[in-house]
Amino acid sequence: GAVVSQHPSWVICKSGTSVKIECRSLDFQATTMFWYRQFPKQSLMLMATSNEGSKATYEQGVEKDKFLINHASLTLSTLTVTSAHPEDSSFYICSAPGTSGPHEQYFGPGTRLTVT
Amino acid sequence: GQNIDQPTEMTATEGAIVQINCTYQTSGFNGLFWYQQHAGEAPTFLSYNVLDGLEEKGRFSSFLSRSKGYSYLLLKELQMKDSASYLCAALDSNYQLIWGAGTKLIIKP
Repeated sequence: GAVVSQHPSWVICKSGTSVKIECRSLDFQATTMFWYRQFPKQSLMLMATSNEGSKATYEQGVEKDKFLINHASLTLSTLTVTSAHPEDSSFYICSAPGTSGPHEQYFGPGTRLTVT
Repeated sequence: GQNIDQPTEMTATEGAIVQINCTYQTSGFNGLFWYQQHAGEAPTFLSYNVLDGLEEKGRFSSFLSRSKGYSYLLLKELQMKDSASYLCAALDSNYQLIWGAGTKLIIKP
């Protein structure tokens, strides 16, 4: 089946710095990718929808200037957490729909971000 | 508004059967997913139902009633490795996934 990778799998950064997370579709093209955030013991929260060649669509309450999304190619989307704070520490997961229909979703393995 | 409800936590015994319920209210409906998520890992796909009825896949089965806005995941012959969170998610009219908070399933020997 289709594979989505994320890099890095975990990262620790200092407060005030920026962190970039990459999401790649390895054997298929993804014009759309979804970015989720998951806090401990909570479900996934959709942050934004990344669209290849155009601006991302952010969910209500998600700061677009803080969470920069770039979808520069059909296989790569990046999420940059700018000026990170400890409250941004979370598990960030990307997903991409497959080609069989909207019911087909492939998740990346996730990135654990810890901001100290 | 859109809402997914599922129990926060359930406990079951190894070898037994457990049913995890999920009710949903969404703007339009294009199917319901069940995912398994182990701690620190991304969700893995278990099932997708868009028509009423029961879909069986090995030890796992999923049921959907569209008229009742209700689904359940049935796990048989429970194994210790089934200890995980089980997430219910509905696909709304915009094909956006609406997620439940997840049910933590604890399996005891």
